[in-house]
Amino acid sequence: DIQMTQSPSSLSASVGDRVTITCQASQDITNYLSWYQQKPGKAPKLLIYDASNLETGVTSRFSGSGSGTDFTFTITSLQPEDIATYYCQQYDNIPITFGQGTRLEIK
Amino acid sequence: QLQLQESGSGLVKPSQTLSLTCAVSGGSISSGGYSWSWIRQPPGKGLEWIAYIYHSGSTYYNPSLKSRVTISVDSSKNQFSLKLSSVAAADTAVYYCARRGGGFDPWGQGTLVTVSS
Repeated sequence: DIQMTQSPSSLSASVGDRVTITCQASQDITNYLSWYQQKPGKAPKLLIYDASNLETGVTSRFSGSGSGTDFTFTITSLQPEDIATYYCQQYDNIPITFGQGTRLEIK
Repeated sequence: QLQLQESGSGLVKPSQTLSLTCAVSGGSISSGGYSWSWIRQPPGKGLEWIAYIYHSGSTYYNPSLKSRVTISVDSSKNQFSLKLSSVAAADTAVYYCARRGGGFDPWGQGTLVTVSS
């Protein structure tokens, strides 16, 4: 199985901050990576697919980059509504696997 | 727009079979190159992919669950289903259905299944 390691596991930042979450795959997954946002009691929401493509309707404050084994998710100018847990997910190989999540809080 | 809705038993006894259905509305389960997936999330924990199926019937399973899982599709009813046999407490989770293109989108709202006697 491909292991997806996110860091940090939790993060506290101020409104307006630039926030970066990293995701490392245990082997090359080219660009077969998605990012999700999950708010308490809700289903995850797709934000980014193919590592850097913004899903339709998702704010441009969110972006993704990377290829191979190292990936980054960035929020420019953190807003209160961005408080959530964020997950990366690889779909290069079966089984599809997710990172353990990054819990984002407001400082 | 496309919507998915899970339904099924919310309480299952240990060693029995969990059965869930995902009804798809606002679009056809047979259209495009999408597959249809089940994902679960134990309370307070992360996400685990279970399986996905194409409308043709081709199936892909998580090897960790494969011996206990069956996924099926009913195109005439525009729905797909999950069966998980020999359940134990560790199978207690919110179960989501989702469409898979590249990433999973959209998702159903999720249904909590508790395994308890």
